[in-house]
Amino acid sequence: EPEVTQTPSHQVTQMGQEVILRCVPISNHLYFYWYRQILGQKVEFLVSFYNNEISEKSEIFDDQFSVERPDGSNFTLKIRSTKLEDSAMYFCASRLLAGGPGNEQFFGPGTRLTVL
Amino acid sequence: AQSVTQPDIHITVSEGASLELRCNYSYGATPYLFWYVQSPGQGLQLLLKYFSGDTLVQGIKGFEAEFKRSQSSFNLRKPSVHWSDAAEYFCAVGARGGGKLIFGQGTELSVKP
Repeated sequence: EPEVTQTPSHQVTQMGQEVILRCVPISNHLYFYWYRQILGQKVEFLVSFYNNEISEKSEIFDDQFSVERPDGSNFTLKIRSTKLEDSAMYFCASRLLAGGPGNEQFFGPGTRLTVL
Repeated sequence: AQSVTQPDIHITVSEGASLELRCNYSYGATPYLFWYVQSPGQGLQLLLKYFSGDTLVQGIKGFEAEFKRSQSSFNLRKPSVHWSDAAEYFCAVGARGGGKLIFGQGTELSVKP
């Protein structure tokens, strides 16, 4: 069964450093998402991406964040200068179509980011 | 404002007992509704979803959920819990046209032998 994969599973970085979190969505999916979950809190939407551009972003997704689909398979989230409060589990998700029955989001296993 | 509330942060049930996890939502229109489960170290797995039609939906692993429009609720149920059901459960809502999901806080389920 196709699945969303994410690498690395755990990333430790120093405050102020840049990190890139990588995701490989399901191959024929067209819509891509990043969410995060700070420990003990709810899963929060960060950004959605379609047709090589951001379609929606939350207020969390400020200028320190960027997303890219550098090739036909990868979808990345970059944090330019990490802060302590960026420590969280980051989930990638993908969806085949825009909406309609049966069109759910499929989630990857997550990358745990720890900023020291 | 759009939101999802899962009032129970942690629930413990005995193996074989029935289970109900509560979910209430606030949304401008009738949304799509989802329940996801997250086992330790794993991603979010879809248990079931409601789009339209029959308000009682069946999912994987013997779970079901009932959509009650008048109560803005989408509670998850299972008649007999297994030890392997211990996990965190998330209720989520999304717009019918697609887009982001809004998640509840999650309910952690523990199962006693």
